[in-house]
Amino acid sequence: IQLTQSPSTLSASVGDRVNITCRASQTVDIWLAWYRQKPGKAPDLLIYKASTLHSGVPSRISGSGSGTEFTLTISGLQPDDSAIYYCHQYNNQPKTFGPGTKVEIK
Amino acid sequence: DVQMVETGGGLVKPGGSLRLSCVASGFSFNTYSMNWVRQAPGKGLEWVSSITSTSGYMHYVDSVKGRFTISRDNAKNSVYLHMDSLTADDSGIYYCARSGVRGVPLDSWGQGTLVTVSS
Repeated sequence: IQLTQSPSTLSASVGDRVNITCRASQTVDIWLAWYRQKPGKAPDLLIYKASTLHSGVPSRISGSGSGTEFTLTISGLQPDDSAIYYCHQYNNQPKTFGPGTKVEIK
Repeated sequence: DVQMVETGGGLVKPGGSLRLSCVASGFSFNTYSMNWVRQAPGKGLEWVSSITSTSGYMHYVDSVKGRFTISRDNAKNSVYLHMDSLTADDSGIYYCARSGVRGVPLDSWGQGTLVTVSS
């Protein structure tokens, strides 16, 4: 299953709300996760089962969607949100990741 | 705390072999599936392989089938990735990651080990 993400890069200001879209080449039902990766670090799980917030993740981060189209929303953007965000499907083998969306803070 | 520590990376010539190890702690290792995920320099994430808790099922991305073998030793809380016929395209950071339970995907990751395939 191929995953695409848009945009590939986005630049936004502190306090903004941003959306990242992930599209799958075939349905993954709700088995879609979102990760954040900062430079030199391993990825951190943010959202799983499309919309469930992982433990310790702030509620200003949310996920939605099902089937082939999903959205990650970050509200009240903070400087610490500067990172690359990846979607990940785990409905089918082989598991796959999207190409990533780089979020920059203006 | 849940922790995974990968070792075994290094510089290897094209066509060579390498064995990566991941030692886990802080959880009941023998009840979790484990994975290897890699990241080429400056590139995105690529899931490589997974193994179920009792080694009943192993899966691989197509690009490594027939060259890489995943295994585990639950007595040593360890998972391994044996890599043969390495090419430059196999270079990158290799992460060990735990599959969560009840629909949770890769929820804990190690810090990674760097593999460089170059002559």
